[in-house]
Amino acid sequence: GENVEQHPSTLSVQEGDSAVIKCTYSDSASNYFPWYKQELGKGPQLIIDIRSNVGEKKDQRIAVTLNKTAKHFSLHITETQPEDSAVYFCAASTGGVTGGGNKLTFGTGTQLKVEL
Amino acid sequence: DAGITQSPRHKVTETGTPVTLRCHQTENHRYMYWYRQDPGHGLRLIHYSYGVKDTDKGEVSDGYSVSRSKTEDFLLTLESATSSQTSVYFCAISAARDSPLHFGNGTRLTVT
Repeated sequence: GENVEQHPSTLSVQEGDSAVIKCTYSDSASNYFPWYKQELGKGPQLIIDIRSNVGEKKDQRIAVTLNKTAKHFSLHITETQPEDSAVYFCAASTGGVTGGGNKLTFGTGTQLKVEL
Repeated sequence: DAGITQSPRHKVTETGTPVTLRCHQTENHRYMYWYRQDPGHGLRLIHYSYGVKDTDKGEVSDGYSVSRSKTEDFLLTLESATSSQTSVYFCAISAARDSPLHFGNGTRLTVT
């Protein structure tokens, strides 16, 4: 099955700096790569996703890049703010192609701390 | 929030007792999922449903069963709870087989 590795496990940045979180995946059939933000006591919230036919996607201060050849994808947050502090998870799936819905395999998470 | 309610939000139970967690959605989405979250493991898929009465196993299904008798409800049952099932359980929904997943706020289960 799919295996997703995520690095780093913790990341501390100064407010206004950029943050980058990286993930690798093992299944070449994976074609859907979402990123989730999880705040304490809450469920994961989808912040951005990318499909394998696209190399990069941006949404304001957040961007995701995908390198299918190397099987890795990254989350980039620019101009970080204290409210960006949370745990971020990457995930991968075959996008429902194999049937049974969009079964995501998650990375182990990155605790991002934005310091004033 | 995506119209997902998980109940209870917290539960403490003893080893060997049965436990049922409920996920209720108001979005009329076809697909529903149960994940567990443990430190160092991220979220792992337990079971999922692709329609009423249609369910299948995920990565960590041993010791769990599910039922879906209505579109809006997906139940997760631990037939005989064990300490290894102490975890935070999240329900998710998606509209179509390739649609994004949206998560509820979880149930924290402690098995003593």
